[in-house]
Amino acid sequence: ETGVTQTPRHLVMGMTNKKSLKCEQHLGHNAMYWYKQSAKKPLELMFVYNFKEQTENNSVPSRFSPECPNSSHLFLHLHTLQPEDSALYLCASSSAPGQGWAAFFGQGTRLTVV
Amino acid sequence: KQEVTQIPAALSVPEGENLVLNCSFTDSAIYNLQWFRQDPGKGLTSLLLIQSSQREQTSGRLNASLDKSSGRSTLYIAASQPGDSATYLCALTNMNYGGSQGNLIFGKGTKLSVKP
Repeated sequence: ETGVTQTPRHLVMGMTNKKSLKCEQHLGHNAMYWYKQSAKKPLELMFVYNFKEQTENNSVPSRFSPECPNSSHLFLHLHTLQPEDSALYLCASSSAPGQGWAAFFGQGTRLTVV
Repeated sequence: KQEVTQIPAALSVPEGENLVLNCSFTDSAIYNLQWFRQDPGKGLTSLLLIQSSQREQTSGRLNASLDKSSGRSTLYIAASQPGDSATYLCALTNMNYGGSQGNLIFGKGTKLSVKP
């Protein structure tokens, strides 16, 4: 248990569906992230939130829409996805720079788009 | 642009053997380097974090070293066990990255299999 919880663990959705991934941390961290892990590719950063403000969008298509209502919660809203969006989506949080920027990851949501 | 490379991509060893996993990076201006473990279909578990000012970190049978000047880090696993079988990922935080704090750049990982 890393202190970062993601739900659901598995999700199958059609290309016309709308769904949301949820991430929650109670580690007192200020920064939260979404990463995408596809087969045979390195983890790719998608979004970064720092103190609830989005500070990074790594050229992610608009069919992925993040939301960070507070420092403890992060959502990834999904709509009209493509089969190539099937992947493991990982949420992470990190401490402030002065505390070493250690990153803690959730267990991930395995997304399958059919 | 920072690039992180992990060699080998896969490694199979008999139980009890000591082994070394390698990670190299192209830009030495880093804040820190982390080693993670990932079991199939699961999230990442942080193993060791080395700050840029440090040379190594140890936790149990694991020892990670960092040589910024040569752009290398190694993860040493002593007396390997079947339970160590997993993918090991190296990730670092750039100092010159213009984005937000804590952005990690990952290698593709080394898939380790320890045979009983």
